[in-house]
Amino acid sequence: EAGVVQSPRYKIIEKKQPVAFWCNPISGHNTLYWYRQNLGQGPELLIRYENEEAVDDSQLPKDRFSAERLKGVDSTLKIQPAELGDSAVYLCASSLSGTSPTDTQYFGPGTRLTVL
Amino acid sequence: RKEVEQDPGPFNVPEGATVAFNCTYSNSASQSFFWYRQDCRKEPKLLMSVYSSGNEDGRFTAQLNRASQYISLLIRDSKLSDSATYLCVVNHVDTGNQFYFGTGTSLTVIP
Repeated sequence: EAGVVQSPRYKIIEKKQPVAFWCNPISGHNTLYWYRQNLGQGPELLIRYENEEAVDDSQLPKDRFSAERLKGVDSTLKIQPAELGDSAVYLCASSLSGTSPTDTQYFGPGTRLTVL
Repeated sequence: RKEVEQDPGPFNVPEGATVAFNCTYSNSASQSFFWYRQDCRKEPKLLMSVYSSGNEDGRFTAQLNRASQYISLLIRDSKLSDSATYLCVVNHVDTGNQFYFGTGTSLTVIP
């Protein structure tokens, strides 16, 4: 079974440029998460989708970040414009459902963003 | 106060040693608990779910203490391949599947 797929794996951009990350979750997984992980820290949730609905975006910096999951399958996270502090690894994860206490998240390989 | 707190380490132990990590969580309504392993420059991968009765998987044992709100991970007979960062994760299902991650504990097993 294919895991969570993310692209690109690495991205280097100059500040003020836009950037987009793409994620395809495990087939059949209704819940999709975008996390940001800084060096030496655990992942921090940016946004969580249940199918195509964003049910938790309280930690998403909405002035520059946006996300979509139009058909409830793959998702795109965008930053515009990027700032130096956005340099991090952006992880996508998926899980079967959003309500079971035994639900387990599976992570993609992440996109390592460097903003110069 | 952070939702999940872990000692970042690093823990440097010799091969064959037993090492234990603890993790505390702040929300008593947390319902599910996990340990993830993260290798350098890789994504987190599920190591174990932590059940209320405690559970064991080979050399790994996880324990949950709801009264004191902490979770532990014990690794026996450490191998070089156990070197990684171990992330403690708690889940609040009653408000939707909100997963909270600790900062991770770094383990290096030395030959």
